[in-house]
Amino acid sequence: DIVLTQSPDSLAVSLGERATINCKSSQSLISGSNNDNFFAWFQQKPGQPPKMLIYWASTRVTGVPDRFSGSGSGTDFTLTISNLQAEDVAVYYCQQYYGAPITFGGGTKVEIK
Amino acid sequence: EVQLVESGGGLVQPGGSLRLSCGASGFTFSSHWMAWVRQAPGKGPEWVANIKKDGSETYYVDSVKGRFTISRDNAKNSLYLQMNNLRAEDTAVYYCVRGFGLDTWGQGTLVTVSS
Repeated sequence: DIVLTQSPDSLAVSLGERATINCKSSQSLISGSNNDNFFAWFQQKPGQPPKMLIYWASTRVTGVPDRFSGSGSGTDFTLTISNLQAEDVAVYYCQQYYGAPITFGGGTKVEIK
Repeated sequence: EVQLVESGGGLVQPGGSLRLSCGASGFTFSSHWMAWVRQAPGKGPEWVANIKKDGSETYYVDSVKGRFTISRDNAKNSLYLQMNNLRAEDTAVYYCVRGFGLDTWGQGTLVTVSS
């Protein structure tokens, strides 16, 4: 099984500042003729289901604010939240869909400092 | 608007069975892989199973193999999860999710396994 290791477990960021979350995969997530990374980022707020923010490692889902950006390739990935807003307080998960079993990282809790 | 609505959750004793259902609307159901993902209280999401567009292939996490069966009825735009021999560790909110990459989630249905 592919293991995703997220860091940090939690972080507190001031409003308007940048939050950076990392995710490391136990194997490369690149596949396909386009060298796509089968990797996504999710946001989960209390009492709600997870919501996909980013797929193919760096493609934003329609409607997601552009302060959310994904980067990385292969085994190392990063989610950056620029200009942190109060509504961004949530737990963020990375996820790989390279193959079964689909797996998630352990989550990063983002709070306001 | 894409909608996924789960039903069938509840309280069941260890060793018991439940069948979850998911009604889909707002998209062409038969064109998408579908999945069940669960989340135990206070824990992260755990993928449980998925099924190919035409139902010809299914995949499961090891902990549910032989106990859970995912199926679909494309004529009814519906996804199912038959859960047998339930254990306490199966207690979770179960989400119906669209796509191999899990792009759209329902609100979930709570399954509690307890005596």
